[in-house]
Amino acid sequence: EVQLVESGGGLVQPGRSLRLSCAASGFTFDDYAMHWVRQAPGKGLEWVSGISWNSGSIGYADSVKGRFTISRDNAKNSLYLQMNSLRAEDTALYYCAKEGYSSSWYYFDYWGQGTLVTVSS
Amino acid sequence: EIVMTQSPATLSVSPGERATLSCRASQSVSSNLAWYQQKPGQAPRLLIYGASTRATGIPARFSGSGSGTEFTLTISSLQSEDFAVYYCQQYNNWPPLYTFGQGTKLEIK
Repeated sequence: EVQLVESGGGLVQPGRSLRLSCAASGFTFDDYAMHWVRQAPGKGLEWVSGISWNSGSIGYADSVKGRFTISRDNAKNSLYLQMNSLRAEDTALYYCAKEGYSSSWYYFDYWGQGTLVTVSS
Repeated sequence: EIVMTQSPATLSVSPGERATLSCRASQSVSSNLAWYQQKPGQAPRLLIYGASTRATGIPARFSGSGSGTEFTLTISSLQSEDFAVYYCQQYNNWPPLYTFGQGTKLEIK
């Protein structure tokens, strides 16, 4: 059974940093790209960042580019998101998502339950 | 940046009836389009990928269509468990870049 368990969320002051983690199990972690998606309270989904299986390809949403850094440790089956210079608008539930693929189609087939990040003074 | 626009924002439908949800891309995304369902307090669930392929375990009453810039999710006969928020999502391969629509809330009429 695929499991994605996020951790590291919490209350943080504006301008400070936080590091999120996602522990993966139930699949061959280093075969798949992984992503972070966030959802502000009462709002829709926003893709934040993605990383290929070997960390060779990385992408970020414009809203976090230059402040957030995604990484992975395939030996530990773990995904990370380093969040610096946090702003109030970064307040959200952060989901870890596994990228699936079939033929030439890509999608998010498994999601964690999320970890809540609150940026407030 | 590709912008995904969903309509309507809220759709009120009676159980047993058909629901049709729309998603428009600001430029062609070919068939790189997925649909997700999200219920309150839950993570999203993949319904459709490649614009029209149902994900594993998704009932046949869910169907997707379209290509290019116009896409549709149809739920043929609404069940009580189908009332939720639905999101479309497009995918760009390089660099990895995904964009979600703002969502359509499907509510009981």
